[in-house]
Amino acid sequence: AQSVTQLDSQVPVFEEAPVELRCNYSSSVSVYLFWYVQYPNQGLQLLLKYLSGSTLVESINGFEAEFNKSQTSFHLRKPSVHISDTAEYFCAVEMNTGFQKLVFGTGTRLLVSP
Amino acid sequence: DTEVTQTPKHLVMGMTNKKSLKCEQHMGHRAMYWYKQKAKKPPELMFVYSYEKLSINESVPSRFSPECPNSSLLNLHLHALQPEDSALYLCASRGQGAHGYTFGSGTRLTVV
Repeated sequence: AQSVTQLDSQVPVFEEAPVELRCNYSSSVSVYLFWYVQYPNQGLQLLLKYLSGSTLVESINGFEAEFNKSQTSFHLRKPSVHISDTAEYFCAVEMNTGFQKLVFGTGTRLLVSP
Repeated sequence: DTEVTQTPKHLVMGMTNKKSLKCEQHMGHRAMYWYKQKAKKPPELMFVYSYEKLSINESVPSRFSPECPNSSLLNLHLHALQPEDSALYLCASRGQGAHGYTFGSGTRLTVV
């Protein structure tokens, strides 16, 4: 079975500081991992995904995540955050039990203050 | 067109009402999903349709009835809901190969 753990329910940070949002997964097979962002009163937007190949994946707005198989982690990082990055961030893993489906972690609320 | 469109965006209904949520995509995706998201919680899977056939029902109460009339359209029919069913209902679709799930902006449902 596959599952996702986000240990931090909330991460407060000052503007222009670096941030890391942690995500660990458990799986006995190859995994596909995703980070989604949800702004207040909106749906989910795909931030980035790891399918195979390079373990470092980047998004267009400065976020990056590194797939670490030995530590079963897929942490999300940004070197300098903006106020507009304040949102809920969900790590997710695709499960394949005959039909593919996304299973989400509990989410991390990133709070960026001036 | 790279979007999943959900209507209505907001819905208030009484416990005796019948209403439907609609989801549409024109990306040629053959897998479509309904998720339910309560406040401050992650989305939880309700139903999966693959090639217009119901593939997964995550033990959802029968007051929620999904329907997939064609490959572009997914409906969720609601009847005799309870106040605890108030939530954000998200639709998603998945394409082949790219393992990308595209989510709609959701329908915020309030049951009074």
